[in-house]
Amino acid sequence: QTVVTQEPSFSVSPGGTVTLTCGLNSGSVSTSYYPSWYQQTPGQAPRTLIYNTNIRSSGVPDRFSGSILGNKAALTITGAQADDESDYYCAMYMGSGISVFGGGAKLTVL
Amino acid sequence: EVQLVESGGGLVQPGGSLRLSCAASGFTFGTYWMSWVRQAPGKGLEWVANIKQDGSEKYYVDSVKGRFTISRDNAKNSLFLQMSSLGAEDTAVYYCASGRAAHLFDNWGQGTLVTVSS
Repeated sequence: QTVVTQEPSFSVSPGGTVTLTCGLNSGSVSTSYYPSWYQQTPGQAPRTLIYNTNIRSSGVPDRFSGSILGNKAALTITGAQADDESDYYCAMYMGSGISVFGGGAKLTVL
Repeated sequence: EVQLVESGGGLVQPGGSLRLSCAASGFTFGTYWMSWVRQAPGKGLEWVANIKQDGSEKYYVDSVKGRFTISRDNAKNSLFLQMSSLGAEDTAVYYCASGRAAHLFDNWGQGTLVTVSS
């Protein structure tokens, strides 16, 4: 069974840069998995940030960027702001209509 | 403006059934894949099911296969999730999401809470 892995927590200083990663329990992440990233604040619906590895969703600031780093997908936030403090989820497409989300990462801005 | 509004959640006893609905507006519903994603209290997101534009393809996470059925009515811009044999593990907020492809979740609704408890 494929598991999508995320480090559970990160912290960043205001104005700083942080990279969240998303891997697989077996194998390397590639663009073929169409990695995507979502931001969620408590009590709110998820918001799509990045899809197809590195395409920003409409209205998403360009300080959010997606990439493949080594064998993982990555979400980089450059110039972090206080309201970036949220939970971040990645998702991978396994084919045959099936997607799998990672366990999420909590970002603290302090 | 894209809007997805879920309804139909509530308290249901173990073993019971529930039908969720998602009313869509602000986009051409019949040209989008639609998905259900759930989130158990305090937990992460879990993809549940999706359905192709014309309803010809439907996919489910293993844990709901045989118990949940996804469907859509393009004439009424509506998505549905029929859930049966519900257990405590199905307790979650259920979100509907639209996407231009099976792997995309472009827009999300606000969710509806399903609580399975006696």
